[in-house]
Amino acid sequence: GNSVTQMEGPVTLSEEAFLTINCTYTATGYPSLFWYVQYPGEGLQLLLKATKADDKGSNKGFEATYRKETTSFHLEKGSVQVSDSAVYFCALSEGIKTIFGAGTRLFVKA
Amino acid sequence: SAVISQKPSRDICQRGTSLTIQCQVDSQVTMMFWYRQQPGQSLTLIATANQGSEATYESGFVIDKFPISRPNLTFSTLTVSNMSPEDSSIYLCSARGGDNSPLHFGNGTRLTVT
Repeated sequence: GNSVTQMEGPVTLSEEAFLTINCTYTATGYPSLFWYVQYPGEGLQLLLKATKADDKGSNKGFEATYRKETTSFHLEKGSVQVSDSAVYFCALSEGIKTIFGAGTRLFVKA
Repeated sequence: SAVISQKPSRDICQRGTSLTIQCQVDSQVTMMFWYRQQPGQSLTLIATANQGSEATYESGFVIDKFPISRPNLTFSTLTVSNMSPEDSSIYLCSARGGDNSPLHFGNGTRLTVT
């Protein structure tokens, strides 16, 4: 069946550091891929998405590229801020259901 | 994008009682879902709420424990029945417009069972 694997956290970075959160997936067909972010005490919010191979999703300085050959969708940001501290979830959707990775908690220190 | 209102935002309940969580979407959506998120963990799909018919439950979740209603396109309820401390979790309502489209989430209901 379909699955999503993302790097374990927590990830702790200093402000302005480069961020990568790895995400790989297995799917039987051609899923859409997503990154969601969850700030403390809130529900999940869509951060970015990509619907086909080689698409790049981007939002708020975050980027991820849909790599079919490596079945990956790694999240990157060139310079993180304290306000980026949150939990990040990689997810795939193929049809009705959405499957989430385990989540990666990011701490950014000033 | 859809805005989802969920209530209550939190509750503390006694063992053996039931709690009904309400979810209201501000626009018509095709699909609504209920998820559970245990502390520090990922989301587990409980069921898909189907308009006007019985919900579709995932493995490990049953209607007697988690009855769900969806009387129209914008409203759904989840009841957690005969609660035990193991039901302490965050329950999230979500919705989307179609297959493969992004999910929108409410802020969740943080449930503590004592």
